[in-house]
Amino acid sequence: GAVVSQHPSWVICKSGTSVKIECRSLDFQATTMFWYRQFPKQSLMLMATSNEGSKATYEQGVEKDKFLINHASLTLSTLTVTSAHPEDSSFYICSARRTGIRAEAFFGQGTRLTVV
Amino acid sequence: AQSVTQPDIHITVSEGASLELRCNYSYGATPYLFWYVQSPGQGLQLLLKYFSGDTLVQGIKGFEAEFKRSQSSFNLRKPSVHWSDAAEYFCAVGGGDYKLSFGAGTTVTVRA
Repeated sequence: GAVVSQHPSWVICKSGTSVKIECRSLDFQATTMFWYRQFPKQSLMLMATSNEGSKATYEQGVEKDKFLINHASLTLSTLTVTSAHPEDSSFYICSARRTGIRAEAFFGQGTRLTVV
Repeated sequence: AQSVTQPDIHITVSEGASLELRCNYSYGATPYLFWYVQSPGQGLQLLLKYFSGDTLVQGIKGFEAEFKRSQSSFNLRKPSVHWSDAAEYFCAVGGGDYKLSFGAGTTVTVRA
C-alpha cells in the first residue's frame, strides 16, 4: 500500500505558541488530504478536508483561524495549530488519497501534541 | 447525516477463540464501509472495505466482514484470534468523497 508520513510523531509546545504538523504522501500524489483529531480513548473526528491548490473545507465547530491547513503541493499538507492551549492537546492524524472514484485513503501514523 | 455505532466498548477473548465486532451505521445513500485497526500511539491500518458487490468481504490478517443492508450492519469477524490482534478497532462509513465518520471504537484484549 501507499505510504503517508506525518512529522513530527510527537511534539510538546508551550501555551500560546504555534506548532506545525506535516503530512506527506511519499509514493503517490494526493489530491485530497484529510485531518482528523482523536481524543484519548475516543474516536477520530474529521476536522477538515483539503484539496491541493484550494482552501480547506472545515467541519462544523472547527475553528479555521486556529487550525490552519495548507495543501500547497500534491504530496504535502500542513496543519498549524495557532496559539495553542492545553485543550488543543490531542492526537492528530492525516489521511491522503489520490484522484479516483474508489481511490483509497491512507493514514499517517499520527502526531501526539501536548501543550503545556 | 452519517454515523457509526460500535456497541461494544471492550471485548476480551481467549487466544484461538473466535471474535466478532459489531458495527451499525447510518448513511443516506449506498455506503462505503471500512474497518481499521489501531495499535497504541499509532495511525490506522485498513483491514478491509466494502464498496459494492459481494457482501462478504475478506481482509488482511484473516479478518472478514459482512455487509447486511437490511440491518445496517457491517460486523467484523475472525475465526481464531492471535495475541497480536489485541488493539483498537474502528468501523467507519463514508461516501465517494472519503469523508469518513468513525465509530467510538472497540478495544480487544486477548488473553492467553
